[in-house]
Amino acid sequence: DGGITQSPKYLFRKEGQNVTLSCEQNLNHDAMYWYRQDPGQGLRLIYYSQIVNDFQKGDIAEGYSVSREKKESFPLTVTSAQKNPTAFYLCASSITEGATGEQYFGPGTRLTVT
Amino acid sequence: GENVEQHPSTLSVQEGDSAVIKCTYSDSASNYFPWYKQELGKRPQLIIDIRSNVGEKKDQRIAVTLNKTAKHFSLHITETQPEDSAVYFCAASILTGGYQKVTFGTGTKLQVIP
Repeated sequence: DGGITQSPKYLFRKEGQNVTLSCEQNLNHDAMYWYRQDPGQGLRLIYYSQIVNDFQKGDIAEGYSVSREKKESFPLTVTSAQKNPTAFYLCASSITEGATGEQYFGPGTRLTVT
Repeated sequence: GENVEQHPSTLSVQEGDSAVIKCTYSDSASNYFPWYKQELGKRPQLIIDIRSNVGEKKDQRIAVTLNKTAKHFSLHITETQPEDSAVYFCAASILTGGYQKVTFGTGTKLQVIP
């Protein structure tokens, strides 16, 4: 383990509050990703970034925002506009040049909103 | 976009028996097919992968086969052990805009009964 970290492991918030999930990697990977995992639905892509200061929406970006100010960091903000934010959030990274597509995952953050 | 279907969603086998998980994909341009194993509460980890120019790949007790014509690929685990119990995800990856976009299946929960 190591290389890509997420904090905190568990996060609790009240409905209507924005919350930011941390993701850091020291693998020197260019690309970073955020996925949401719900039971029976696999991993769904929220946002991805191929390079610093650039990011793209994934399949379920509504209610989320990201930034990529540093190569090592790709924080995800879950806004109050996200209607069903309780889920397990996974961050991942990969190389892009000559990429195999293999992604390295962080340990995840379980967010509970009540 | 790419669509990946995975079956079955749950699979129970006796220790020592074989397990087979099947996936189909929709985009014939997909060129990389990884399989990830996720143990309960942990991050997904790559266990085996195959590229589109290869029909079969084996690594000890696990093997993956790819049928490009039918757009099918499968994971085979032989001589299953209790530690194989986990959720397995297939994925299909396609190069788009210089970026490898990965689409995951919905997962198969494998239970190996001692």
